[in-house]
Amino acid sequence: AQKITQTQPGMFVQEKEAVTLDCTYDTSDPSYGLFWYKQPSSGEMIFLIYQGSYDQQNATEGRYSLNFQKARKSANLVISASQLGDSAMYFCAMREETGRRALTFGSGTRLQVQP
Amino acid sequence: DGGITQSPKYLFRKEGQNVTLSCEQNLNHDAMYWYRQDPGQGLRLIYYSQIVNDFQKGDIAEGYSVSREKKESFPLTVTSAQKNPTAFYLCASRDRLYGYTFGSGTRLTVV
Repeated sequence: AQKITQTQPGMFVQEKEAVTLDCTYDTSDPSYGLFWYKQPSSGEMIFLIYQGSYDQQNATEGRYSLNFQKARKSANLVISASQLGDSAMYFCAMREETGRRALTFGSGTRLQVQP
Repeated sequence: DGGITQSPKYLFRKEGQNVTLSCEQNLNHDAMYWYRQDPGQGLRLIYYSQIVNDFQKGDIAEGYSVSREKKESFPLTVTSAQKNPTAFYLCASRDRLYGYTFGSGTRLTVV
């Protein structure tokens, strides 16, 4: 069974600073995909970034980058130059590569950006 | 624009009532999913469907039922057997490249 662990229930960051949100995972599958989603108070799930288990380079999307350390089974999200609009819940998720191909989610980290 | 529409946005249920949450997609995706989110927690899989006329239980299916009679539609019924139905419900679909699209959710409250 797959498992995603996010150990930071809440984080604070000053506007314009960088912040790292932690995510560790556990799976016995050799092939898997890792996702990060942002959930504002409205409830929608906004896709941020994706990393495949065989990707050689860390994924980047604008101000978001994923620090993928396969041996440590970690996939931390780095947000550079934080903005007030970044305040939200952030979820790390893993895709099942066989069977139901559903996403397994962590418990999330609430990020608050302070002016 | 293609996407997933969930309705209603807010739903109130009395004790002992069944209620149905709507999920419609125009993305031509085969696979669809229902997730439940409790306050301050992650999403948990209720049911999923990989093709029309077929669906499977997820991790927390007790007290829920679904149907998949059309590719575009995957309604979720919360039955009276669900003892604690108050939660936020999200519907999602998956494309063939394993990208996921989520609806905007339905917030269900028992009154």
